[in-house]
Amino acid sequence: DAGVTQSPTHLIKTRGQQVTLRCSPKSGHDTVSWYQQALGQGPQFIFQYYEEEERQRGNFPDRFSGHQFPNYSSELNVNALLLGDSALYLCASSLWGTANTEETQYFGPGTRLLVL
Amino acid sequence: ELKVEQNPLFLSMQEGKNYTIYCNYSTTSDRLYWYRQDPGKSLESLFVLLSNGAVKQEGRLMASLDTKARLSTLHITAAVHDLSATYFCAVDIGNTPLVFGKGTRLSVIA
Repeated sequence: DAGVTQSPTHLIKTRGQQVTLRCSPKSGHDTVSWYQQALGQGPQFIFQYYEEEERQRGNFPDRFSGHQFPNYSSELNVNALLLGDSALYLCASSLWGTANTEETQYFGPGTRLLVL
Repeated sequence: ELKVEQNPLFLSMQEGKNYTIYCNYSTTSDRLYWYRQDPGKSLESLFVLLSNGAVKQEGRLMASLDTKARLSTLHITAAVHDLSATYFCAVDIGNTPLVFGKGTRLSVIA
């Protein structure tokens, strides 16, 4: 049973460029959430996708956008990269509608983005 | 706005000693999670706690939840070097996203 996978593992970009990160959720999961983790900080929620729609969004600018495909996989796009976008980007998968259960969100290995 | 606070943020422990990490949250939540993160790695789920008084144990780690006090604790018993990592607590309400604390960086020394 494959867990959450992400690609690429590492990425180096320059300011102003655009980047696309990819995530495949754990088998059986239908919801994908993206988090940004700056060095030494806890993960910050970017947005969540379910049924190919953005369901919730954190406090991130419109430069951050995403997509979910029919197979539940997801992409995170960041335009006009800034130095401050350098971080570990984590994808988490879960099953929609499992509030008040012991279902947890499973995190992928992350993509480490460095913006120069 | 849901806020999560952990303390301490840094913890240096001697092997064999016991210690507790505290996690407070600001509003009623549905679930509380504990995750472990090794340097440069992703988050590994340790515990999910749902109800008041819930207690879960795995090896040298035990987590508990007091929903009335909005407090969870992660107790470490007889620490060993392998437990060195950063520990995060997080909470959610319904299908809302996880809100994380800043993490507790634990270092177990001989």
